[in-house]
Amino acid sequence: NAGVTQTPKFRVLKTGQSMTLLCAQDMNHEYMYWYRQDPGMGLRLIHYSVGEGTTAKGEVPDGYNVSRLKKQNFLLGLESAAPSQTSVYFCASSYKRTGTSYEQYFGPGTRLTVT
Amino acid sequence: AQSVAQPEDQVNVAEGNPLTVKCTYSVSGNPYLFWYVQYPNRGLQFLLKYITGDNLVKGSYGFEAEFNKSQTSFHLKKPSALVSDSALYFCAVSPYGGATNKLIFGTGTLLAVQP
Repeated sequence: NAGVTQTPKFRVLKTGQSMTLLCAQDMNHEYMYWYRQDPGMGLRLIHYSVGEGTTAKGEVPDGYNVSRLKKQNFLLGLESAAPSQTSVYFCASSYKRTGTSYEQYFGPGTRLTVT
Repeated sequence: AQSVAQPEDQVNVAEGNPLTVKCTYSVSGNPYLFWYVQYPNRGLQFLLKYITGDNLVKGSYGFEAEFNKSQTSFHLKKPSALVSDSALYFCAVSPYGGATNKLIFGTGTLLAVQP
């Protein structure tokens, strides 16, 4: 199993440009998440999804949109990038809350710089 | 507000000595608690979790953590540190009693193990 993969690994954008980050998982997980990691702030949840076709806002959703058209994919979009969105973005997935399998599995991250 | 605190930005320990990385939380209800580790330029890896039961939880790579409900703490420990344990460690809590597994992360503690 590849686990959770993210595309691309690195990207540089100019202010105002748009882009989409792709997350894919092959573990048949129901839940998927997008986080951003900034120095000294830990990880903050941007958006999440509890199933195909459903999405919800997390802690810092402004400036981002998401879609989950297929169970295995979770896309994060930036419509008009801003320097404040310079960050490392992590995707994660987990099983539905049953039994004791609650942990999330993380992708390798995408380092985004907005100039 | 629900939160997780990691009071130390960095912990320094000599190889072979015991290590402790501290975590305290503030949530309503019964928390689900997690520790993750992040090596440079990598995603987060799950170490261990407390859901219910024995307060001492054992995880990967010889790590363990002790849940203390009265002190609202979940400190990460290892009896004998290795240089290869040097990494960024995150404590996280899932306070939501429903079905989303959403996590609140601490700001992280950098563990530096000196040879």
